[in-house]
Amino acid sequence: AQKVTQAQTEISVVEKEDVTLDCVYETRDTTYYLFWYKQPPSGELVFLIRRNSFDEQNEISGRYSWNFQKSTSSFNFTITASQVVDSAVYFCALSEGYSGAGSYQLTFGKGTKLSVIP
Amino acid sequence: SAVISQKPSRDICQRGTSLTIQCQVDSQVTMMFWYRQQPGQSLTLIATANQGSEATYESGFVIDKFPISRPNLTFSTLTVSNMSPEDSSIYLCSVGQGGVADTQYFGPGTRLTVL
Repeated sequence: AQKVTQAQTEISVVEKEDVTLDCVYETRDTTYYLFWYKQPPSGELVFLIRRNSFDEQNEISGRYSWNFQKSTSSFNFTITASQVVDSAVYFCALSEGYSGAGSYQLTFGKGTKLSVIP
Repeated sequence: SAVISQKPSRDICQRGTSLTIQCQVDSQVTMMFWYRQQPGQSLTLIATANQGSEATYESGFVIDKFPISRPNLTFSTLTVSNMSPEDSSIYLCSVGQGGVADTQYFGPGTRLTVL
């Protein structure tokens, strides 16, 4: 079984504050991939990052950074100096487990709604 | 990444009718997926559509309710049949090349309201 937990349903921060979105996952596989997607109010899901289970290095992309820790099964996402344009729902997702038809199951967490207040 | 478009972007439909949603990609892709996102909820996979074969449906979804076509490597349709208000959701298509390392890219979604 696989599961992705995003315990924070909604977060509000004031512009320029830093914010961390938590993601905890469960899997029995040794090979798996983790993802973060952003869904702005327009509805489209925007891919942010993919990380495989063998690479625990943290990653930074501009104001975004990701902390992957296998010991705690977490893949947290930090936005530094938040901006109003960061307001969106953020989804963490896990890929593992062959689901047939050549695809692997991509399981999403319930998402965290981030509101950045000017 | 591929550019994905969906038509219609939104629609309001009457109970008992059907709506066909189109998903077009600007390059050939192996896998196309259809997801449902009910209001305020996460994404749930409806089915995987491979070109030249029947779609593979997830538990809880059936072909009679959600028939899918995949006539070529750049296009797919999802029909929501005999709609009820419970079908009001955002329907998203995504594309990928398959495999556990695959990154899925999503279309803009179709917002469906059933009255």
